[in-house]
Amino acid sequence: QSVLTQPPSASGTPGQRVTISCSGSSSNIGNNTVNWYQQLPGTAPKLLIFSNNQRPSGVPDRFSGSKSGTSASLAISGLQSEDEADYYCAAWDDSLNGYVVFGGGTKLTVL
Amino acid sequence: EVQLVQSGAEVKKPGESLKISCKGSGYTFSNYWIGWVRQMPGKGLEWMGIIYPGDSDARYSPSFQGQVTISADKSISTAYLQWSSLKASDTAMYYCLRTPGIAVAASCWGQGTLVTVTS
Repeated sequence: QSVLTQPPSASGTPGQRVTISCSGSSSNIGNNTVNWYQQLPGTAPKLLIFSNNQRPSGVPDRFSGSKSGTSASLAISGLQSEDEADYYCAAWDDSLNGYVVFGGGTKLTVL
Repeated sequence: EVQLVQSGAEVKKPGESLKISCKGSGYTFSNYWIGWVRQMPGKGLEWMGIIYPGDSDARYSPSFQGQVTISADKSISTAYLQWSSLKASDTAMYYCLRTPGIAVAASCWGQGTLVTVTS
């Protein structure tokens, strides 16, 4: 059971806009920034969004992030076939001595 | 180019010990935290712990505290993840990552090391 909650799956057709949610609590998302990672099949994760809504250089502006209270969302607009991947949210959790918590991941299928 | 290169795949028996490595290049190794993430077959990402090679300050997720040891040798720009007695449930892909701060996003990841524990 992951500390952050994501839907296990999402889907969309090419060109559509898809959102993936990530729900946490006051000890993680509520008090810290959220990062999003994309994992293409058979590859290492790649940083997609950091500090709630910032894109690393090279990440298309089709990808955007937002946070409100203890929840966050990743939006992908103009969906493309190469976006088919697993997406994970992550945040620092202040409980105990502090550690990073991940969501369970959302498998995005491009129909 | 900033790079993390991990050691190769391992096949071990239950009860055996193991140490896998993650070598950094293209940056000052001592100045960035190195973390480890587990991904069991068909499952999601789990943060195991992190170390600052500059002073070997290591922190662990509660789930992995006491189960593994994270260390680093800054003289050879290498971090390690170690088990003293493997279990079949340790079978997984293990990734190392680099981050400028303990709670900061990781923009650089290693290619992963597959560990298989089987009798």
